[in-house]
Amino acid sequence: QSVLTQPPSVSGAPGQRVTISCTGSSSNIGAGYDVHWYQQLPGTAPKLLIYYNSNRPSGVPDRFSGSKSGTSASLAITGLQAEDEADYYCQSYDYSLSGVVFGGGTKLTVL
Amino acid sequence: EVQVVESGGGLVQPGRSLRLSCTASGFTFGDYDLSWVRQAPGKGLEWVGLIKSKTYGGTAEYAASVKGRFTISRDDSKSVAYLQMNSLKTEDTAVYYCTRQLVVAATYYFDYWGLGTLVTVSS
Repeated sequence: QSVLTQPPSVSGAPGQRVTISCTGSSSNIGAGYDVHWYQQLPGTAPKLLIYYNSNRPSGVPDRFSGSKSGTSASLAITGLQAEDEADYYCQSYDYSLSGVVFGGGTKLTVL
Repeated sequence: EVQVVESGGGLVQPGRSLRLSCTASGFTFGDYDLSWVRQAPGKGLEWVGLIKSKTYGGTAEYAASVKGRFTISRDDSKSVAYLQMNSLKTEDTAVYYCTRQLVVAATYYFDYWGLGTLVTVSS
């Protein structure tokens, strides 16, 4: 059971928009800690996708965006492409656990 | 170009020890915190622990699941970090990733990841 809750899977057709939620609690996201997102393509290492809730590292397309509100965060992907098929993880910090916490991951399928 | 490379994985029996190495290049190693993150087969990501830069004390912090069994250290002169794993359990079987860590206001995130090294704990 992950501290941050994500849907196990989401799907969408090419060109569509999908969102992935990340729900935390008052000891992590709700306490004001930022949320970061990672993309893990099949068989590869995770890659930083979004940092500090809504910032994109250089090279990440603007089709990817993030937001945070209250005890939750979300990742939105617009103009879905086949290459976006991957696992997506949210990450934050939890003060009651005194450590970094990840969501359980969401598998995105492009139909 | 920033690179992080893990090594030292392999098959080990329960109760035994193993040491992983993380060799970095392309940045001033001593200026950065580092974290280890693992991923069990078919499962999600789990933070293992971190080591701060000497500027911030060089101290290590650990997840509850490994505290007391795992130790993280660093040798800035060699740009290498280590994960010493003792009293290994079957549930420690995972790919172990070394990551470069950035931190602002107690929020950590990982901007560069290695390819990982597989540790299999089995008799």
